[in-house]
Amino acid sequence: GAVVSQHPSRVICKSGTSVKIECRSLDFQATTMFWYRQFPKQSLMLMATSNEGSKATYEQGVEKDKFLINHASLTLSTLTVTSAHPEDSSFYICSARPGTMAHEQFFGPGTRLTVL
Amino acid sequence: GESVGLHLPTLSVQEGDNSIINCAYSNSASDYFIWYKQESGKGPQFIIDIRSNMDKRQGQRVTVLLNKTVKHLSLQIAATQPGDSAVYFCAENIKAAGNKLTFGGGTRVLVKP
Repeated sequence: GAVVSQHPSRVICKSGTSVKIECRSLDFQATTMFWYRQFPKQSLMLMATSNEGSKATYEQGVEKDKFLINHASLTLSTLTVTSAHPEDSSFYICSARPGTMAHEQFFGPGTRLTVL
Repeated sequence: GESVGLHLPTLSVQEGDNSIINCAYSNSASDYFIWYKQESGKGPQFIIDIRSNMDKRQGQRVTVLLNKTVKHLSLQIAATQPGDSAVYFCAENIKAAGNKLTFGGGTRVLVKP
């Protein structure tokens, strides 16, 4: 149980285009989902917290107009990187927290974004 | 700001030996500490967690120790196996901050055959 999927697993796009990444909780309902970014050989950095049916809360330094987050249902959150640039190339990881659990988060497999 | 950090970026260990990964934290408001394992190109995998009111917790081949006096956390892996080669992260959960996780810098464990 507690499986989280991400799609796509890897994407290559041209500079200036937008990319959407999906995060799904497959066997539980996630009232809260989190989006992280991880650069090579670095740790995970929290970008934003997404609550179902409400606006995402972004961490300091993360541009909300560039990283659009939508949490339309209890099993799906999407992250759209708008007008992507090479510096946005990174490993994007989502996690989901079941409504019944206070602190546990289940992580997705990550999405490798490469912007040319 | 307050953060979680690690002492050793890389740990080489002989197969069969025990591994010890250390982590220092500074936020005394953390209510849970969690260890994750991350293999190359994959998402973090939960290993074990410990509540802030505990000082030791054991799992299968793993033990987490928490020393609140010196704000130190460690993960011990018994009889390290090749499959244990990965990057290990400690993370702290702060309930007062909405149960957000703050990750440490990570330690790479390399298991030598």
